[in-house]
Amino acid sequence: SQQGEEDPQALSIQEGENATMNCSYKTSINNLQWYRQNSGRGLVHLILIRSNEREKHSGRLRVTLDTSKKSSSLLITASRAADTASYFCATFEMGNQFYFGTGTSLTVIP
Amino acid sequence: DARVTQTPRHKVTEMGQEVTMRCQPILGHNTVFWYRQTMMQGLELLAYFRNRAPLDDSGMPKDRFSAEMPDATLATLKIQPSEPRDSAVYFCASGPGPFGGQYFGPGTRLLVL
Repeated sequence: SQQGEEDPQALSIQEGENATMNCSYKTSINNLQWYRQNSGRGLVHLILIRSNEREKHSGRLRVTLDTSKKSSSLLITASRAADTASYFCATFEMGNQFYFGTGTSLTVIP
Repeated sequence: DARVTQTPRHKVTEMGQEVTMRCQPILGHNTVFWYRQTMMQGLELLAYFRNRAPLDDSGMPKDRFSAEMPDATLATLKIQPSEPRDSAVYFCASGPGPFGGQYFGPGTRLLVL
């Protein structure tokens, strides 16, 4: 079962534009993580944000977390064709439960 | 460049046969996860281990699935007997700690006819 839900399900943008995807979850979490999956490959860990953090940066990635709204967003700035992939949020609950969301499929058009 | 390895990469079998998937976690990682991914259900956590002990296997159909870690370098996922609905990509992932990021293997693509 999945706790997180990403929005939108699919996103198509031009190279150079920013891409924003959102994740909502249902219960209290220890941390929230974002992963990327290229077609036919395993997932790659991008960034982890703890429940007491509000924002985190890694290169062109910016993640925010609002625990009052139980939501997170992933912003990819200056997108590249190589960013085309599916992006998943994953939540680690306090009771050692771990859930992946449904994913956002991002297409960056050169 | 340390990586999680999984074997086999592809498996085609007939309904009723036993399937064994193997995973070698990254050396030093003490947490190992098994996931199943399908178009319909997305990514589902089947089981995970910490220091080789099973912590949660609530996502796994226990009548036919079993997961073990015989030693720190090997995790196995078995399906016996297999059914067509088990067709999916099975991923193993390992992590250096209980709450940190996970490193995924390339997956085993299973097709049960």
